[in-house]
Amino acid sequence: GQQLNQSPQSMFIQEGEDVSMNCTSSSIFNTWLWYKQDPGEGPVLLIALYKAGELTSNGRLTAQFGITRKDSFLNISASIPSDVGIYFCAGQYSGGSNYKLTFGKGTLLTVNP
Amino acid sequence: DAGVIQSPRHEVTEMGQEVTLRCKPISGHDYLFWYRQTMMRGLELLIYFNNNVPIDDSGMPEDRFSAKMPNASFSTLKIQPSEPRDSAVYFCASGPDSYGYTFGSGTRLTVV
Repeated sequence: GQQLNQSPQSMFIQEGEDVSMNCTSSSIFNTWLWYKQDPGEGPVLLIALYKAGELTSNGRLTAQFGITRKDSFLNISASIPSDVGIYFCAGQYSGGSNYKLTFGKGTLLTVNP
Repeated sequence: DAGVIQSPRHEVTEMGQEVTLRCKPISGHDYLFWYRQTMMRGLELLIYFNNNVPIDDSGMPEDRFSAKMPNASFSTLKIQPSEPRDSAVYFCASGPDSYGYTFGSGTRLTVV
């Protein structure tokens, strides 16, 4: 089955630093999604990417859909304490009634004030 | 809309007991997903439905797990009999819309 490799597994940074994390897949996707999960809650969508090469920003977040359709990255600029959480990439190859969403293992982000 | 609603939030049960987790998706969403989250395995897709019909249940661990979606506004995930290794957080998600797929807050299941 499809597998997503997400890295790094965890990051410890100082407030104000930039952060970068990425995902690679063994097969192509036609949608990449980035989610954040706070403790005790479900994942919440941050950014959605629908086209190879697409670069999308949402405030301090920037994500790109790789040209090969097998990778994506997420950057967070000028990190703040509330950025703490687990970040997940998710890939989807949809066709017909197939909307299966595959998740990476997550990146645990800790921001020291 | 109140979002995806899951109940209960926490469940503690004894090994061998039947457990039923419930989910109310967002109205109008065609797809409903059940995920299990553990430290070791991350977020695993168990099963998903399209218009109340199960599309892919290949992630269901074994016959002890079953899921139903009797109508567009309700789904259940049942474990019978439960085992300690079933302890995890179980999420329900529905979609898609402009927000992608929306997750519920999860049910934390502990089997002792």
